[in-house]
Amino acid sequence: GIQVEQSPPDLILQEGANSTLRCNFSDSVNNLQWFHQNPWGQLINLFYIPSGTKQNGRLSATTVATERYSLLYISSSQTTDSGVYFCAVERTGGFKTIFGAGTRLFVKA
Amino acid sequence: SQTIHQWPATLVQPVGSPLSLECTVEGTSNPNLYWYRQAAGRGLQLLFYSVGIGQISSEVPQNLSASRPQDRQFILSSKKLLLSDSGFYLCAWSQDPSGANVLTFGAGSRLTVL
Repeated sequence: GIQVEQSPPDLILQEGANSTLRCNFSDSVNNLQWFHQNPWGQLINLFYIPSGTKQNGRLSATTVATERYSLLYISSSQTTDSGVYFCAVERTGGFKTIFGAGTRLFVKA
Repeated sequence: SQTIHQWPATLVQPVGSPLSLECTVEGTSNPNLYWYRQAAGRGLQLLFYSVGIGQISSEVPQNLSASRPQDRQFILSSKKLLLSDSGFYLCAWSQDPSGANVLTFGAGSRLTVL
Protein backbone atom coordinates (compact mmCIF):
# COMPACT_ATOMS: atom_id res chain seq x y z
CA GLY A 1 0.00 0.00 0.00
CA ILE A 2 0.87 3.65 -0.13
CA GLN A 3 3.45 4.88 2.37
CA VAL A 4 3.17 8.27 4.09
CA GLU A 5 6.19 9.68 5.93
CA GLN A 6 6.12 12.82 8.02
CA SER A 7 9.04 14.81 9.35
CA PRO A 8 10.16 15.84 11.84
CA PRO A 9 8.46 13.46 14.30
CA ASP A 10 8.76 16.00 17.11
CA LEU A 11 9.23 19.76 17.13
CA ILE A 12 9.60 22.28 19.93
CA LEU A 13 9.22 25.97 19.11
CA GLN A 14 9.38 29.22 20.97
CA GLU A 15 6.21 31.23 20.60
CA GLY A 16 6.48 33.48 17.55
CA ALA A 17 8.78 31.18 15.58
CA ASN A 18 8.03 29.76 12.14
CA SER A 19 8.17 26.11 11.11
CA THR A 20 7.78 23.79 8.14
CA LEU A 21 6.35 20.28 8.37
CA ARG A 22 6.90 17.83 5.56
CA CYS A 23 4.87 14.91 4.19
CA ASN A 24 6.27 12.48 1.61
CA PHE A 25 4.10 9.86 -0.08
CA SER A 26 5.03 6.89 -2.20
CA ASP A 27 2.36 6.82 -4.89
CA SER A 28 0.16 9.16 -6.90
CA VAL A 29 -2.75 10.56 -4.92
CA ASN A 30 -6.01 12.29 -5.72
CA ASN A 31 -6.55 13.60 -2.22
CA LEU A 32 -4.24 15.03 0.43
CA GLN A 33 -5.34 16.56 3.69
CA TRP A 34 -3.61 18.13 6.67
CA PHE A 35 -5.16 17.73 10.13
CA HIS A 36 -4.45 19.12 13.56
CA GLN A 37 -5.21 16.96 16.58
CA ASN A 38 -5.65 19.00 19.74
CA PRO A 39 -4.72 17.75 23.23
CA TRP A 40 -8.28 16.46 23.71
CA GLY A 41 -8.02 14.24 20.65
CA GLN A 42 -10.24 16.20 18.28
CA LEU A 43 -9.05 16.11 14.66
CA ILE A 44 -9.59 19.30 12.72
CA ASN A 45 -9.20 19.46 8.96
CA LEU A 46 -6.76 22.26 8.10
CA PHE A 47 -6.41 21.89 4.35
CA TYR A 48 -7.66 19.79 1.49
CA ILE A 49 -4.76 20.22 -0.94
CA PRO A 50 -4.10 17.54 -3.58
CA SER A 51 -1.98 20.08 -5.46
CA GLY A 52 -1.01 23.73 -5.40
CA THR A 53 -0.87 26.19 -2.51
CA LYS A 54 -3.47 27.37 -0.03
CA GLN A 55 -3.35 29.79 2.86
CA ASN A 56 -5.54 30.18 5.91
CA GLY A 57 -4.36 32.86 8.32
CA ARG A 58 -0.98 31.92 9.77
CA LEU A 59 -1.07 28.51 8.12
CA SER A 60 -0.32 27.65 4.52
CA ALA A 61 0.24 24.43 2.63
CA THR A 62 1.84 23.44 -0.64
CA THR A 63 1.58 20.11 -2.43
CA VAL A 64 3.82 19.17 -5.34
CA ALA A 65 2.01 16.08 -6.57
CA THR A 66 4.53 15.25 -9.31
CA GLU A 67 7.30 15.06 -6.69
CA ARG A 68 5.08 13.38 -4.10
CA TYR A 69 5.40 15.72 -1.16
CA SER A 70 3.47 18.34 0.74
CA LEU A 71 4.58 21.05 3.14
CA LEU A 72 2.68 22.74 5.96
CA TYR A 73 3.95 26.15 7.04
CA ILE A 74 3.15 27.61 10.43
CA SER A 75 4.12 31.24 10.90
CA SER A 76 4.27 33.23 14.14
CA SER A 77 3.45 30.11 16.15
CA GLN A 78 1.21 30.34 19.22
CA THR A 79 0.83 28.00 22.18
CA THR A 80 -2.57 26.98 20.83
CA ASP A 81 -0.81 25.52 17.78
CA SER A 82 0.52 22.72 19.99
CA GLY A 83 -0.69 19.22 19.19
CA VAL A 84 -0.11 16.64 16.49
CA TYR A 85 -0.21 17.45 12.79
CA PHE A 86 -1.17 14.65 10.44
CA CYS A 87 -0.88 14.33 6.71
CA ALA A 88 -3.41 11.96 5.12
CA VAL A 89 -3.60 10.77 1.52
CA GLU A 90 -6.00 8.86 -0.65
CA ARG A 91 -4.45 6.93 -3.48
CA THR A 92 -5.76 7.57 -6.96
CA GLY A 93 -8.75 5.33 -7.60
CA GLY A 94 -9.48 4.47 -3.96
CA PHE A 95 -11.69 5.39 -1.00
CA LYS A 96 -9.15 4.72 1.70
CA THR A 97 -7.46 7.66 3.38
CA ILE A 98 -4.13 6.68 4.93
CA PHE A 99 -2.46 8.73 7.66
CA GLY A 100 1.17 9.43 8.34
CA ALA A 101 2.57 8.98 11.85
CA GLY A 102 2.27 12.71 12.56
CA THR A 103 4.48 15.55 13.77
CA ARG A 104 4.10 16.37 17.46
CA LEU A 105 4.48 20.13 17.97
CA PHE A 106 4.95 21.90 21.28
CA VAL A 107 5.02 25.69 21.32
CA LYS A 108 6.55 27.23 24.44
CA ALA A 109 5.32 30.55 25.82
CA SER B 1 -24.96 21.89 8.19
CA GLN B 2 -23.59 18.41 8.75
CA THR B 3 -22.64 17.07 12.16
CA ILE B 4 -21.19 13.78 13.35
CA HIS B 5 -21.86 12.24 16.76
CA GLN B 6 -19.97 9.47 18.50
CA TRP B 7 -20.72 7.75 21.76
CA PRO B 8 -19.81 6.81 24.34
CA ALA B 9 -16.95 9.27 24.76
CA THR B 10 -15.12 7.14 27.30
CA LEU B 11 -15.50 3.57 28.48
CA VAL B 12 -13.61 1.06 30.57
CA GLN B 13 -14.36 -2.59 29.84
CA PRO B 14 -13.04 -5.90 31.20
CA VAL B 15 -11.27 -8.35 28.93
CA GLY B 16 -13.78 -10.70 27.30
CA SER B 17 -16.72 -8.28 27.48
CA PRO B 18 -18.61 -7.11 24.37
CA LEU B 19 -18.26 -3.69 22.78
CA SER B 20 -20.54 -1.40 20.81
CA LEU B 21 -19.50 2.07 19.64
CA GLU B 22 -21.97 4.12 17.66
CA CYS B 23 -21.55 6.90 15.13
CA THR B 24 -24.26 8.91 13.40
CA VAL B 25 -24.12 11.68 10.83
CA GLU B 26 -26.75 14.38 10.44
CA GLY B 27 -27.50 16.73 7.60
CA THR B 28 -26.42 14.59 4.67
CA SER B 29 -27.36 11.40 2.86
CA ASN B 30 -25.34 8.45 1.56
CA PRO B 31 -22.05 9.50 3.17
CA ASN B 32 -18.89 7.42 3.12
CA LEU B 33 -18.25 6.31 6.70
CA TYR B 34 -15.01 5.26 8.37
CA TRP B 35 -13.70 3.81 11.65
CA TYR B 36 -10.10 4.57 12.63
CA ARG B 37 -8.16 3.51 15.71
CA GLN B 38 -5.35 5.47 17.31
CA ALA B 39 -3.05 3.72 19.77
CA ALA B 40 -1.45 5.92 22.42
CA GLY B 41 1.05 8.34 20.88
CA ARG B 42 0.68 6.93 17.39
CA GLY B 43 -0.99 7.61 14.07
CA LEU B 44 -4.43 6.59 12.86
CA GLN B 45 -5.09 3.11 11.51
CA LEU B 46 -8.02 2.59 9.16
CA LEU B 47 -10.19 -0.26 10.43
CA PHE B 48 -13.36 -0.21 8.31
CA TYR B 49 -15.03 1.92 5.68
CA SER B 50 -18.46 1.86 4.11
CA VAL B 51 -19.79 3.43 0.94
CA GLY B 52 -23.42 2.40 1.51
CA ILE B 53 -25.89 0.52 3.71
CA GLY B 54 -24.69 -3.00 4.39
CA GLN B 55 -21.42 -2.42 2.48
CA ILE B 56 -18.43 -2.83 4.78
CA SER B 57 -14.77 -3.09 3.83
CA SER B 58 -12.33 -4.35 6.44
CA GLU B 59 -8.75 -3.19 6.32
CA VAL B 60 -7.06 -5.31 8.96
CA PRO B 61 -7.86 -8.73 10.41
CA GLN B 62 -8.82 -8.23 14.04
CA ASN B 63 -11.21 -8.82 16.86
CA LEU B 64 -13.62 -6.14 15.69
CA SER B 65 -16.52 -5.88 13.24
CA ALA B 66 -18.54 -3.03 11.77
CA SER B 67 -22.09 -2.67 10.59
CA ARG B 68 -24.12 0.00 8.82
CA PRO B 69 -27.78 -0.73 9.56
CA GLN B 70 -28.96 2.68 8.36
CA ASP B 71 -27.66 5.21 5.85
CA ARG B 72 -26.13 7.53 8.45
CA GLN B 73 -25.32 5.06 11.23
CA PHE B 74 -22.07 3.18 11.63
CA ILE B 75 -21.44 0.75 14.50
CA LEU B 76 -18.19 -0.80 15.69
CA SER B 77 -18.53 -4.02 17.69
CA SER B 78 -16.67 -6.80 19.37
CA LYS B 79 -17.98 -10.00 20.95
CA LYS B 80 -14.99 -10.39 23.30
CA LEU B 81 -12.55 -7.56 23.95
CA LEU B 82 -8.81 -8.10 24.17
CA LEU B 83 -6.28 -5.95 26.01
CA SER B 84 -4.90 -4.91 22.63
CA ASP B 85 -8.25 -3.38 21.67
CA SER B 86 -7.56 -0.43 23.97
CA GLY B 87 -7.24 2.84 22.11
CA PHE B 88 -8.93 5.92 20.76
CA TYR B 89 -11.60 5.13 18.17
CA LEU B 90 -12.57 7.78 15.68
CA CYS B 91 -15.48 7.81 13.28
CA ALA B 92 -15.36 9.97 10.16
CA TRP B 93 -17.53 10.77 7.19
CA SER B 94 -16.91 12.14 3.73
CA GLN B 95 -18.94 13.03 0.71
CA ASP B 96 -18.27 14.91 -2.45
CA PRO B 97 -19.70 14.03 -5.85
CA SER B 98 -16.67 15.59 -7.52
CA GLY B 99 -14.38 13.12 -5.80
CA ALA B 100 -12.88 15.39 -3.14
CA ASN B 101 -13.08 12.86 -0.32
CA VAL B 102 -12.65 15.31 2.57
CA LEU B 103 -12.83 13.58 5.95
CA THR B 104 -14.63 15.08 8.93
CA PHE B 105 -14.11 13.38 12.28
CA GLY B 106 -16.22 12.86 15.36
CA ALA B 107 -14.90 13.61 18.84
CA GLY B 108 -13.76 10.02 19.40
CA SER B 109 -14.38 7.22 21.90
CA ARG B 110 -11.60 6.35 24.31
CA LEU B 111 -11.63 2.64 25.21
CA THR B 112 -9.61 1.08 28.01
CA VAL B 113 -9.67 -2.69 28.32
CA LEU B 114 -8.55 -4.02 31.71
